[in-house]
Amino acid sequence: GAVVSQHPSWVICKSGTSVKIECRSLDFQATTMFWYRQFPKQSLMLMATSNEGSKATYEQGVEKDKFLINHASLTLSTLTVTSAHPEDSSFYICSAFGTSETQYFGPGTRLLVL
Amino acid sequence: DQQVKQNSPSLSVQEGRISILNCDYTNSMFDYFLWYKKYPAEGPTFLISISSIKDKNEDGRFTVFLNKSAKHLSLHIVPSQPGDSAVYFCAASVGGADGLTFGKGTHLIIQP
Repeated sequence: GAVVSQHPSWVICKSGTSVKIECRSLDFQATTMFWYRQFPKQSLMLMATSNEGSKATYEQGVEKDKFLINHASLTLSTLTVTSAHPEDSSFYICSAFGTSETQYFGPGTRLLVL
Repeated sequence: DQQVKQNSPSLSVQEGRISILNCDYTNSMFDYFLWYKKYPAEGPTFLISISSIKDKNEDGRFTVFLNKSAKHLSLHIVPSQPGDSAVYFCAASVGGADGLTFGKGTHLIIQP
C-alpha cells in the first residue's frame, strides 16, 4: 500500500512555457501533499505544503506565482511551473501523507528547460 | 544553516558487516525522524522512522537509534547486502505531519 505516482516522469520544454506535474496517491487518501525539489548532488528541499481544498503554503524563497499548486481532491495535487526558465531545471518530487505519520514519495519528475 | 546534517558523503562497507549511518540535527523542535533510501532519478523509499518518545526502533535488518540529548540519530543495517547500496537520507519534522527537512545524504556502497 501507500503508492504515490507522478506524471510525467520527465519533460523537456522551451524557456517561457508552462509545465504541469501531477501527483496522485493511488491507494489512500491524502489530505496533505508536499512538493520538493532536488538539484544535482543536493538534498531534497521542501517547496510547499498542499492541503486539499485550501491554498498551498510555500516555503521561504519559493515564488507562489511561479509554482502554482492545486490540490483538487484527496488523491491529486498538481504543480505548474509557469514561464519556466533554465534555472528551473530540476528534479521535482511529491509526497503524500499516508498512515503512521509517514510521507510516501512519488518517483519524481525530471524537468529540463531549454 | 543546515538543520539536518549527514557529515559522511559516502560510506563503504563489506557485505555481511554492519553499516552505520549517522545524522545530527540542530532544531530541538524536531520530534519525528525518518530514514529514506534513494536511487538516482527516483523518489525516496521509506525505510524506518522514530518518534522522539522512543530511543530505538527496529524493523528487520534496520534499526534506528535516537539520542535526543546529543541531537543525534543513526541507522544500523545488519547484515549489509549488495542491494543496500544507495544514497540514504535522514529527514526530520515537527509533529510528524509537517514537511520534511532532509540531510544531504550518505552514499552507502556495499562491497562483495
